[in-house]
Amino acid sequence: IQMTQSPTSLSASVGDTVTITCRASQTVRNYLNWYQQKPGKAPNLLIYAASTLQSGVPSRFRGSGSGTDFTLTISSLQPEDFATYYCQQSYSNPRTFGPGTKVEI
Amino acid sequence: QVQLQESGPGLVKPSGTLSLMCSVSGVSITSSNWWSWVRQPPGKGLEWIGEVYHTGSSNNNPSLKGRVTISVDRSKNQFSLKLYSVTAADTAVYFCVKLNSAPGTVSFDSWGQGTLVSVSS
Repeated sequence: IQMTQSPTSLSASVGDTVTITCRASQTVRNYLNWYQQKPGKAPNLLIYAASTLQSGVPSRFRGSGSGTDFTLTISSLQPEDFATYYCQQSYSNPRTFGPGTKVEI
Repeated sequence: QVQLQESGPGLVKPSGTLSLMCSVSGVSITSSNWWSWVRQPPGKGLEWIGEVYHTGSSNNNPSLKGRVTISVDRSKNQFSLKLYSVTAADTAVYFCVKLNSAPGTVSFDSWGQGTLVSVSS
């Protein structure tokens, strides 16, 4: 299953609301996860099952969608949110990631 | 608290075998989890390599054309990756990852810090 994300990158300011979209080439039902990765660090799970917030993740992160189209919304962007975000499907093997969206200041 | 730590050579010669170990702490490797490897070439995105269950059952990414073996050592609470016939295209940061599998959801919920492996003569 091929995963695409848009945009590839975006510029935003602290306090903004940003939305990242992820599309699967075929249905993944709700087996869709979102990860945040900062430079030199491992990815960190933000949202699983399309819309469930991982423990410890701030509530300004919100995931939605099902089937083939998904969104990650970050409300009131904070300085620590500038990072690259990846979607990933676990509906079928091979597990595949989107190409990433870089959120820049 | 689950922790994973990769170890192994940082440099492998072309056509050689890349071998990495992941040491797991905070949870038994025989718990109901799959254990995975994910890699990331410098400046690029993430690629799932494969996964293993504590019984030894495994799944690998077909894109790696059968060059992968992932195995588990229950006595040491570790799992390992072997990638054969490596080329420069296999240069990447390699992460070991715990896969959380529950009804309706499968996600990579705990990651090692990653280790850079370069393929060069």
